[in-house]
Amino acid sequence: SQTIHQWPATLVQPVGSPLSLECTVEGTSNPNLYWYRQAAGRGLQLLFYSVGIGQISSEVPQNLSASRPQDRQFILSSKKLLLSDSGFYLCAWSGTQFREQYFGPGTRLTVT
Amino acid sequence: GQSLEQPSEVTAVEGAIVQINCTYQTSGFYGLSWYQQHDGGAPTFLSYNALDGLEETGRFSSFLSRSDSYGYLLLQELQMKDSASYFCAVSGGGNKLTFGTGTQLKVEL
Repeated sequence: SQTIHQWPATLVQPVGSPLSLECTVEGTSNPNLYWYRQAAGRGLQLLFYSVGIGQISSEVPQNLSASRPQDRQFILSSKKLLLSDSGFYLCAWSGTQFREQYFGPGTRLTVT
Repeated sequence: GQSLEQPSEVTAVEGAIVQINCTYQTSGFYGLSWYQQHDGGAPTFLSYNALDGLEETGRFSSFLSRSDSYGYLLLQELQMKDSASYFCAVSGGGNKLTFGTGTQLKVEL
């Protein structure tokens, strides 16, 4: 069966510090991968998605970036965090039926 | 671009039926998905409609009218564990979804 991992579960970082969030998927090959951010009590905002190694589509211009160094690994990064980067970051994967996405447990980021 | 509208909050009693509506505006449309998210948890997939009509999965059903750009999620025999946020999401092109802002469902005794 397929499993998606995200870490860390929670993170408190000062403004201006770098960020690296990692997501890995097990039990499937060539998944579509997604990074979302969710502000408290709000909807899911798609940040990046990838259909293959090294292929990244950015949905929202901001100080975040994403990389996919391996087939089942998706990394979200920032060089300098802003207060507005606080939120619940969710990684998801899908097969060819991208309408059905499977989410990881999420990382709750607080920028202070 | 895409935009979706859902009510922000719905309250119902245990055992009742509740309907959560979703209207959308998209430049392209392939289908409407529904997801459930409990507080502090990750969203989970509930259903998908590509064609007009009703799709039933146990206590949950989802409806789509493409001509009206409208869909709804119907929850029957409500249980306390159904208290959660429900999101509609549109497949409008590309391998991605656009999510609505979510409806918080509160089930009361």
